[in-house]
Order: sequence, then structure tokens, then C-alpha cells
Amino acid sequence: GDSVTQMEGPVTLSEEAFLTINCTYTATGYPSLFWYVQYPGEGLQLLLKATKADDKGSNKGFEATYRKETTSFHLEKGSVQVSDSAVYFCALSDGGSARQLTFGSGTQLTVLP
Amino acid sequence: GAGVSQSPRYKVAKRGQDVALRCDPISGHVSLFWYQQALGQGPEFLTYFQNEAQLDKSGLPSDRFFAERPEGSVSTLKIQRTQQEDSAVYLCASSSTGYDEKLFFGSGTQLSVL
Repeated sequence: GDSVTQMEGPVTLSEEAFLTINCTYTATGYPSLFWYVQYPGEGLQLLLKATKADDKGSNKGFEATYRKETTSFHLEKGSVQVSDSAVYFCALSDGGSARQLTFGSGTQLTVLP
Repeated sequence: GAGVSQSPRYKVAKRGQDVALRCDPISGHVSLFWYQQALGQGPEFLTYFQNEAQLDKSGLPSDRFFAERPEGSVSTLKIQRTQQEDSAVYLCASSSTGYDEKLFFGSGTQLSVL
């Protein structure tokens, strides 16, 4: 079945550091890939997505590129801020719809001033 | 409403009790999803509604779990004879269409079974 493996946390960075959170996936079809973010006390929010190979999703300075050859969708940001502290979830949807998302286990990011 | 609302925010149940968790999706959203999130894990799919029709319940872990959405808006997830392994955060999400890939999540109901 489908699965998502993401970098274990927690990750602690200083403000303005470079961020990478690794995500790899296994899927039988051609999935859409997502990053969701959960800020403290809030529900999960869609951060970015990519629907086909070589697509790059981007939002709020974060970006991730759909790499079919390495089955990866790593999240990057060039300069993190304290307000980026949250839990980040990589997810996939097989078949292109959001009917059933498969999530990774999440990565806790803490950014120190 | 402005967002997906879930109630109660926290629920403590004794083992063997029945519980009911409520979800108010964003007004007009056709699709509604329930996910279960164990501590330190990502959410796992439970069930999916399109309007009042339950189109997928493949993720429900046992026949003690039951979900309904009788009028195509508010949904209730019911767990009968709760067990300790049911302790988790239960998340509700909605989307505007059946094929919209953007889900809007509620803050969840944290269920603790003692």
C-alpha cells in the first residue's frame, strides 16, 4: 500500500538558518504530493502541493519539488523564522483526489531567535 | 462558519463507555473526512462523506466505530464500548468539492480512554 516516510524530528534551528525536511513515498499510481503544517493549537493547513513529476510547489518561502526518480518531495526554506515553528506533515493522495490522504509521521520544527 | 469546528475539544471516557464526536464543516462544503491521529503519528484516514453519502469507510478500525452525516452538513463520529487503544486525536476535515485537493482541518477532539 501507499506510505510516506519523513525525517524524524525534532529539528531545532536558529533564525535565518536553511531548512530541509526529507520526505520519500511509496505509491502504486501517480500520486499528488502535499506538505501540511500544524501550528500550536491549530488545525492542519495545506502549505503546498505538487500534482505531477518535476512540479515545484511553493508558499510562504517554502518549496518542494516532486521527484519521481527518487520518489521524494523534500521541503526546503532558505531562511526560517521563529513563526515557522510548527509540525510539518508530508502526505500523498493516490489518484489525484483528496479523498484519502496518506500522511507521514510529522516533523516538529522549533526555530530559536 | 469561518472554519471547521469540532466538539468537544477534549473528552475523557471510561473504558466501555460510548462517545460521540461532532464536526461542523465549513458551510457549503460537499466533502467531509474523519482522520485518527495517535500521539506522535500522522493522521490516518477513517471515513469520507460526499454530502450525506458515506462513500468510503475503509479506514474505520472496527465495527465499534460509526459515522453519520444525515443532512449533508454536520457529522458525528460515534465510538461504542471504547477501548484504551481508541485514545487519539480525532480530526475532521472538509473540502468544497469531491475532487478538491485542499482540505480544511478542524483542531480535533482529543479522546482519552481510561
